[in-house]
Amino acid sequence: GDSVTQMEGPVTLSEEAFLTINCTYTATGYPSLFWYVQYPGEGLQLLLKATKADDKGSNKGFEATYRKETTSFHLEKGSVQVSDSAVYFCALSELLTGNQFYFGTGTSLTVIP
Amino acid sequence: DARVTQTPRHKVTEMGQEVTMRCQPILGHNTVFWYRQTMMQGLELLAYFRNRAPLDDSGMPKDRFSAEMPDATLATLKIQPSEPRDSAVYFCASGFDRGGTNYGYTFGSGTRLTVV
Repeated sequence: GDSVTQMEGPVTLSEEAFLTINCTYTATGYPSLFWYVQYPGEGLQLLLKATKADDKGSNKGFEATYRKETTSFHLEKGSVQVSDSAVYFCALSELLTGNQFYFGTGTSLTVIP
Repeated sequence: DARVTQTPRHKVTEMGQEVTMRCQPILGHNTVFWYRQTMMQGLELLAYFRNRAPLDDSGMPKDRFSAEMPDATLATLKIQPSEPRDSAVYFCASGFDRGGTNYGYTFGSGTRLTVV
């Protein structure tokens, strides 16, 4: 069945450091891929998405490229800020499974000044 | 910005009581999901609807949980009777599927339920 695996946290970085959060997936067909972010006490917010292979999603300095050959969708940011501290969830959905979301377990990021 | 509205934001109740959580999806969205989030289990899909029809509620304990969409502007999740293990944050999300492509769902702020 469909699933998402993301790197375990927590991750602690200094401000302006480079961020990578790994995400790999298993899917039956051709999924859309997403990164969601959850700030403390809030719901999940869509950060970026990619709907087909080789697409790059980007938002707020974050990027992720849909790599079909490696079934990956790693999240990157060149210079993190304290305000990026949150939990990040990788997710997929595809028509074959009714477009429901399959979420990873989440990766907690703390950025220290 | 359009948003998914969930009420109440917080609920503390005694074991055995009925709990009803409500969700107002974004106008025009045709798909609604209910998720439960706990530290131990992460995000669990409980139920989802498309065009108000239930598509999958296999993740929901049927003996005590029920989910409905009485109209396009309201989705409800009910627990009767509630138990301490139901303590969690319950999220509603809505979105629009077009041509089979998922363009991403918008989540509400959640209902934090504590059953004592």
